[in-house]
Amino acid sequence: GAGVSQSPRYKVAKRGQDVALRCDPISGHVSLFWYQQALGQGPEFLTYFQNEAQLDKSGLPSDRFFAERPEGSVSTLKIQRTQQEDSAVYLCASSLNGGPHYGYTFGSGTRLTVV
Amino acid sequence: KQEVTQIPAALSVPEGENLVLNCSFTDSAIYNLQWFRQDPGKGLTSLLLIQSSQREQTSGRLNASLDKSSGRSTLYIAASQPGDSATYLCAAERSNQFYFGTGTSLTVIP
Repeated sequence: GAGVSQSPRYKVAKRGQDVALRCDPISGHVSLFWYQQALGQGPEFLTYFQNEAQLDKSGLPSDRFFAERPEGSVSTLKIQRTQQEDSAVYLCASSLNGGPHYGYTFGSGTRLTVV
Repeated sequence: KQEVTQIPAALSVPEGENLVLNCSFTDSAIYNLQWFRQDPGKGLTSLLLIQSSQREQTSGRLNASLDKSSGRSTLYIAASQPGDSATYLCAAERSNQFYFGTGTSLTVIP
C-alpha cells in the first residue's frame, strides 16, 4: 500500500479485557516497529521485526504484551488483561531495510483507552 | 540509555517569523537523526532525515543540522505559516531503535 495502515483507529477496552491491534506495513518493507506514545510524551520503542523474526522485544513493558508477524507482512500487537496504564497511542512504523540509510514511515496509530 | 531533550517545550510565534527548534542527545553514537511532525490525534510525518555522516538536510522552508560531537540538532523553519502549527519531534536512531524527545509544540499565529 501507499502508507502504513493501522486498525482500529480507536479502541476502548474495559480493564482486564484483551485487545489486538493491527499494522499493515508498506508493501515490501522488511522491517517493522511498534512504539507506545503516552499522552504528552514522545513515542517509546516496544519491539522490532525483520521479516517474521522478532529481533528485539526489549521495550515490551510486561509479559501481557505480545507481538507477532507470522508471514513477514502484517503484524499484530496483543495486550492481555489490559490495565489503565496501557492507555496510549500505539504507533507502527516500517522501513525498507531498517538500516541507518533508510527512513521510517509511521502509521496514524491506534488510540487505546482502558476504562 | 540514550536521552533526548527538546527545547523549548512550547513556542508561539507570529506568522512570517523564522524560528529554531533545538534537540540534544546524550549518546553521540547514533546512526541518524530524524525530525518528525505530529498533528493532534495523528501519527508521525517524517520531515528530514540526517544520516550520521551528514551535517544538514534541507527541504523547502525547513533546514535541519546535526552536530554529533556536541550531541545537538536544530530544525530551522523559515517564514513560518499557520499550517506549520504542530508538535515537532526529534528522534535519534541507533540499533534499530528510535529514541524520541518529548517534542516542541509550535503555534503560528496568523
